[in-house]
Amino acid sequence: RKEVEQDPGPFNVPEGATVAFNCTYSNSASQSFFWYRQDCRKEPKLLMSVYSSGNEDGRFTAQLNRASQYISLLIRDSKLSDSATYLCVVKLDNAGNMLTFGGGTRLMVKP
Amino acid sequence: EAQVTQNPRYLITVTGKKLTVTCSQNMNHEYMSWYRQDPGLGLRQIYYSMNVEVTDKGDVPEGYKVSRKEKRNFPLILESPSPNQTSLYFCASSLLGQPDTQYFGPGTRLTVL
Repeated sequence: RKEVEQDPGPFNVPEGATVAFNCTYSNSASQSFFWYRQDCRKEPKLLMSVYSSGNEDGRFTAQLNRASQYISLLIRDSKLSDSATYLCVVKLDNAGNMLTFGGGTRLMVKP
Repeated sequence: EAQVTQNPRYLITVTGKKLTVTCSQNMNHEYMSWYRQDPGLGLRQIYYSMNVEVTDKGDVPEGYKVSRKEKRNFPLILESPSPNQTSLYFCASSLLGQPDTQYFGPGTRLTVL
């Protein structure tokens, strides 16, 4: 079983739609959580950190459910420019800076 | 401008021919690491370094070497590349203890024939 699992997609949605991705992690000692965005053939870039209380950044909302060990990312009012792969990332409590990446979920926003 | 640079960006080579991929960062970050990314497997860490002369294995270190003689540089060495090392490689750096400060380099696409 992978440590961080994501549905690879692709999720094909029309512009303006709301789309949600889930990610599950296997290690209950995971302490920090992030969503990264990766455009085709480019480097991953941090989209947002995920806090226990949930957090929002414009059209993006991240939630953490420690009991069920999953993280979610909600994108409202999808734009064409949101088309990318979204990577779920976790860090163990004692892992220093070492991050574990999910395989990513591909989003394609269509006109 | 804060950045991580990698060279070369693209490389096609043959089995057994030693190669080095360079990585340099200008942010005075202590932590540097190398990842490989393969379809269906996501990003997997190869090696990491917490400071000068301090390196350690990640999840997939076999067939790779690294060195950290200077804070800004963290080269990845393939002494005898094999076709299963064909992959997309990313270098990354961050402040120690602050993984949310992580920057990735632009990637190196390596093909080993």
